[in-house]
Amino acid sequence: QVQLVQSGAEVKKPGSSVKVSCKASGDTFNKYTISWVRQAPGQGLEWMGRIIPSLDIANYAQKFQGRVTITADKSTSTAYMEIISLRSEDTAIYYCGRDGPHTAIWVDPWGQGTLVTVSS
Amino acid sequence: EIVMTQSPATLSVSAGERATLSCRASQTVAYNLAWYQQKPGQAPRLLIYDASARATGIPARFSGSGSGTEFTLTISSLQSEDVAVYYCQQYNNWPPVTFGQGTKVEIK
Repeated sequence: QVQLVQSGAEVKKPGSSVKVSCKASGDTFNKYTISWVRQAPGQGLEWMGRIIPSLDIANYAQKFQGRVTITADKSTSTAYMEIISLRSEDTAIYYCGRDGPHTAIWVDPWGQGTLVTVSS
Repeated sequence: EIVMTQSPATLSVSAGERATLSCRASQTVAYNLAWYQQKPGQAPRLLIYDASARATGIPARFSGSGSGTEFTLTISSLQSEDVAVYYCQQYNNWPPVTFGQGTKVEIK
């Protein structure tokens, strides 16, 4: 079955950018899509967007449009999520996850999460 | 954007008793609803998708029901390992996919 391993924790300054990776193994990368979900400290889950690796097409929540870019490298079975112009409110755990089939955006399994801390 | 509202915020149930969690959508989501369990310090885990289908490896004591705007997650006999926060999520009308704010389940 699919396993997703994310990159390590990051500490960033306000105004900078961060790129988090999510490496997949155990199934053909082109067969599914990958979503990104974040969770601020003590808060709930917030869906950011998803990528269709086979088509290089990404969809975003309007809140993140223009500041978040989700990409995929089929040659390494790795998805990426980049945020620019970081602010303190972006401090959160960022998760990647495999989506259900077609347009069913339920997430299973999830990566282990990557803590991004934005602080001056 | 579809708003998902979960109730109660916290649910205290005795071990072995039934726990019933509710999720309401601001407009119909048909059967396109999932439930997740999140334990402290862990990533969420999918329990239920398509409103009532159990994910792989999920114990039979977890069941989902409902359609349209009203959904329920039932834990038939609460175990100590079920202490967690539970989230509902709709994927009928996206972007964005939206989550409820969560229900914390604890042992009374």
